[in-house]
Amino acid sequence: AQKVTQAQTEISVVEKEDVTLDCVYETRDTTYYLFWYKQPPSGELVFLIRRNSFDEQNEISGRYSWNFQKSTSSFNFTITASQVVDSAVYFCALSEAASGGSYIPTFGRGTSLIVHP
Amino acid sequence: EAGVVQSPRYKIIEKKQPVAFWCNPISGHNTLYWYLQNLGQGPELLIRYENEEAVDDSQLPKDRFSAERLKGVDSTLKIQPAELGDSAVYLCASSLGSQGNEQFFGPGTRLTVL
Repeated sequence: AQKVTQAQTEISVVEKEDVTLDCVYETRDTTYYLFWYKQPPSGELVFLIRRNSFDEQNEISGRYSWNFQKSTSSFNFTITASQVVDSAVYFCALSEAASGGSYIPTFGRGTSLIVHP
Repeated sequence: EAGVVQSPRYKIIEKKQPVAFWCNPISGHNTLYWYLQNLGQGPELLIRYENEEAVDDSQLPKDRFSAERLKGVDSTLKIQPAELGDSAVYLCASSLGSQGNEQFFGPGTRLTVL
């Protein structure tokens, strides 16, 4: 079973629409970290946000917002008033504890967001 | 501040040939990762370094893949011999520690094996 599931393979919206990218994770750990990364056509993954398992407070950063719900093991990402520059592949990732106190990252398969003008 | 540097950006080789990828992490980042990314997939961890020590290399196909990180800074990932199925993007990332810190990625090396 996948540890990080991004069920939406591709989403297509028109500029200014709001869009939510879903992420469902699976872990038995009580301490873990969740991330969102953006991969534009240039290929370089860019860090967007990190959340630890003890902080369920939702976060807003400009047009971006994140909804973390431990009860449903979800960490969804919403873009408000989408823009063409938001077109990219977005990855959700989970870091779980490994031996030695380090954390091993696992990425989802990504959701390709296409924003049309 | 310079980001993670990788070279080459693109590499085309014939099967059975050797190939090497180089990565220079962000200065001060003691943790370095090598990932494999196939088309339409997320990055998959191949190996992680803590300083010069290789840890978490269970996903590295050791019969043909090798990696090193001399002096705990730059790292090299090698494939010998390359197979058709090795065609993918090889990503390097670094972070300040591995306690769930965010990773900074390089642009990747796109390998095509013919």
